[in-house]
Amino acid sequence: DVKVTQSSRYLVKRTGEKVFLECVQDMDHENMFWYRQDPGLGLRLIYFSYDVKMKEKGDIPEGYSVSREKKERFSLILESASTNQTSMYLCASSPNGGPGSGKLFFGSGTQLSVL
Amino acid sequence: GNSVTQMEGPVTLSEEAFLTINCTYTATGYPSLFWYVQYPGEGLQLLLKATKADDKGSNKGFEATYRKETTSFHLEKGSVQVSDSAVYFCALSGSDKIIFGKGTRLHILP
Repeated sequence: DVKVTQSSRYLVKRTGEKVFLECVQDMDHENMFWYRQDPGLGLRLIYFSYDVKMKEKGDIPEGYSVSREKKERFSLILESASTNQTSMYLCASSPNGGPGSGKLFFGSGTQLSVL
Repeated sequence: GNSVTQMEGPVTLSEEAFLTINCTYTATGYPSLFWYVQYPGEGLQLLLKATKADDKGSNKGFEATYRKETTSFHLEKGSVQVSDSAVYFCALSGSDKIIFGKGTRLHILP
């Protein structure tokens, strides 16, 4: 079965810490995405990648960076965590055909709390 | 730019009631349209999709028809179950990403 795995279900960090959120997919998909989900705001795209070592800014990239050294792994990095980055983070992947053209497969999410 | 607007929730219904969740969109070109569902504690999963005007997507008793004339993609189900309680997201495909609505939470009472 298709699988997108996020390393942590819950994470608690302190303001100013560097935070790594890891995501791995086993479907050999070209495209990978990071979203954050907040009540009343829905899903907002942070970054996406359509190939190894490639990255593109989404709608809210400020305060975040990403890394894609291998096709199956896409990491989200909070360089210096702040309380307004407390959120549910969702990783997704999709097969080739363009990032906007296909079905997205989501991980279960990481609920990050920044204190 | 492209956008999706869906009805605000929460929506509360009794089991076996008829469900409609409204979704309208603004887009250039001819996007594909999707409904995703998020069950408690899980990520989103694709429920159904339609790729061109007048297409009907269906799955698990849910249906939605791509209406270009009204720029709508309303989700319907004839008889809901308690297990349908979830958050539902309407979405459309842009040139480089998928754009989601804000989600509608659905509660089904036994």
